Amino acid sequence: DVKVTQSSRYLVKRTGEKVFLECVQDMDHENMFWYRQDPGLGLRLIYFSYDVKMKEKGDIPEGYSVSREKKERFSLILESASTNQTSMYLCASTPGGYGYGYTFGSGTRLTVV
Amino acid sequence: RKEVEQDPGPFNVPEGATVAFNCTYSNSASQSFFWYRQDCRKEPKLLMSVYSSGNEDGRFTAQLNRASQYISLLIRDSKLSDSATYLCVARGTDKLIFGTGTRLQVFP
Repeated sequence: DVKVTQSSRYLVKRTGEKVFLECVQDMDHENMFWYRQDPGLGLRLIYFSYDVKMKEKGDIPEGYSVSREKKERFSLILESASTNQTSMYLCASTPGGYGYGYTFGSGTRLTVV
Repeated sequence: RKEVEQDPGPFNVPEGATVAFNCTYSNSASQSFFWYRQDCRKEPKLLMSVYSSGNEDGRFTAQLNRASQYISLLIRDSKLSDSATYLCVARGTDKLIFGTGTRLQVFP
């Protein structure tokens, strides 16, 4: 089974801190994604990457950046955390191609105080 | 208009009931479709792919109607363990588009 591992299950950070969320997948997948999920809003795409050192903005990239230095690792960075970034963050990966769904990590519940 | 639209529910059904969810998608060029299941405070997990010919996996049947641009999921003989949120998914130009989910609650 594909495993997508997110480094932290729960995280509490202070306003203004720089926050790093790490995601690692073990199946040599090309494509990786970062979402946030909030009640009533569903999954919203922040950033995605189709290859090493490549990144594309999703629907809500403001306040975030990403890094993909190695194929298996995709990091989400909150440059200066704010309370409105309190959310569940989900990483996903897929081999690419039309027939494949995404495999999600177990999520990081981030609280910014 | 959202690219993938679902009735948020909740659908409250007794054990043993048959329940059906529909969703509509706006991009007629979408080429692949899925249903995901998400338990409370957990990550979404792939339930099944959806094909034009329809597909069945045990008590679950998924159908795609390209002409009307809707996808359905039928659950027969509902179990308490089926209680979850079901996400409808269509492939957009270069990535998957997720609906906001339909909540199902199965009661004894």
